[in-house]
Amino acid sequence: EAQVTQNPRYLITVTGKKLTVTCSQNMNHEYMSWYRQDPGLGLRQIYYSMNVEVTDKGDVPEGYKVSRKEKRNFPLILESPSPNQTSLYFCASSLEWIAKNIQYFGAGTRLSVL
Amino acid sequence: GQQLNQSPQSMFIQEGEDVSMNCTSSSIFNTWLWYKQDPGEGPVLLIALYKAGELTSNGRLTAQFGITRKDSFLNISASIPSDVGIYFCAGQRSSGGGADGLTFGKGTHLIIQP
Repeated sequence: EAQVTQNPRYLITVTGKKLTVTCSQNMNHEYMSWYRQDPGLGLRQIYYSMNVEVTDKGDVPEGYKVSRKEKRNFPLILESPSPNQTSLYFCASSLEWIAKNIQYFGAGTRLSVL
Repeated sequence: GQQLNQSPQSMFIQEGEDVSMNCTSSSIFNTWLWYKQDPGEGPVLLIALYKAGELTSNGRLTAQFGITRKDSFLNISASIPSDVGIYFCAGQRSSGGGADGLTFGKGTHLIIQP
């Protein structure tokens, strides 16, 4: 079954404690992306990756890092989480980054930073 | 970043009624997408529009890509309880080779009263 898998689904942590949210897709997609969803703000892109070893900032990259060492994985790293990073995070992937490509979303990771 | 104005923010309707929502932007988009998000899940694509003026249906859903390329509409006919959820519009500027992600509207929360 084609899917985008995020882990963990729920995470509670404390300020400053480094964490990683994993994202994996089994569709051999080139393009992967991370979004955060906040009430009243919709989804905002954090980082994206056009292919292996190619990453770039989205609209709200501050406080986040990503890596793309393999095609299927695109982890989101919070080196020193802060309470304003409490949010619902979604990973998405699509075949490649051109028009007419549909992004498939993971089920989300709800993060609380205390 | 880009701004998409999605309205209405929420809708309370009776089962069987038709629903209309729209997104507008000050910028031109090359692609318009409509997603639905159920509680605890990631957004799922409903309809994709690739050409100005295009009208596309998916069952009871119909979406249109505005002629100016700055707006899009989604209509749901004869609503049923499973239509409940949050609907997002998303616009994409680049038509190929670019690095633009999706810009999302803030969502329309649809609530259906039996």
